[in-house]
Amino acid sequence: DAGVTQSPTHLIKTRGQHVTLRCSPISGHKSVSWYQQVLGQGPQFIFQYYEKEERGRGNFPDRFSARQFPNYSSELNVNALLLGDSALYLCASSLGPGSGANVLTFGAGSRLTVL
Amino acid sequence: GENVGLHLPTLSVQEGDNSIINCAYSNSASDYFIWYKQESGKGPQFIIDIRSNMDKRQGQRVTVLLNKTVKHLSLQIAATQPGDSAVYFCAEKIRDTGNQFYFGTGTSLTVIP
Repeated sequence: DAGVTQSPTHLIKTRGQHVTLRCSPISGHKSVSWYQQVLGQGPQFIFQYYEKEERGRGNFPDRFSARQFPNYSSELNVNALLLGDSALYLCASSLGPGSGANVLTFGAGSRLTVL
Repeated sequence: GENVGLHLPTLSVQEGDNSIINCAYSNSASDYFIWYKQESGKGPQFIIDIRSNMDKRQGQRVTVLLNKTVKHLSLQIAATQPGDSAVYFCAEKIRDTGNQFYFGTGTSLTVIP
């Protein structure tokens, strides 16, 4: 079975541009979360979606947005890119709320470089 | 919960020795903890988890200990192997916050052959 897949794996953008990152969860997983990992630090929570609804949002500006589609895949959008947005963006999927459903399975991430 | 931190940023051990990686957390409302391993160029990989109603949980070569009194979590790796070299993160979930996890800074484990 395929794990969590993310695309693109690497991308370079310039300041002010926007970016869309994509994620496909593990088959059967209905919850997708997005994390930002700056070099040398631990992942930081951005969003969680479950059944196409936003269930949580971290401390990120409104330039960051996301959505989840009927097939449970998800997109993360970042507008007006800043140099500080350079990071590894991780997508994680899980079954959903409930006992035993909390383990996050991560993808390999999308490495964004903003010049 | 945002202050999940690690005591040591780096750890070097001899192959075959046991490794202990520590983690401190600050939110007494945290009810679930996960240890992740992250190798270079990869996403975090689940190692072991523990709920706040437990003190200890064992897996294959790994043991997690939870001390709620001092808000401390540790990961013990038995007979450490070169393949264990990676960055290890503890992550905590605060009760009633959905599935949001707060990660520590990470400890880089290097296994010396």
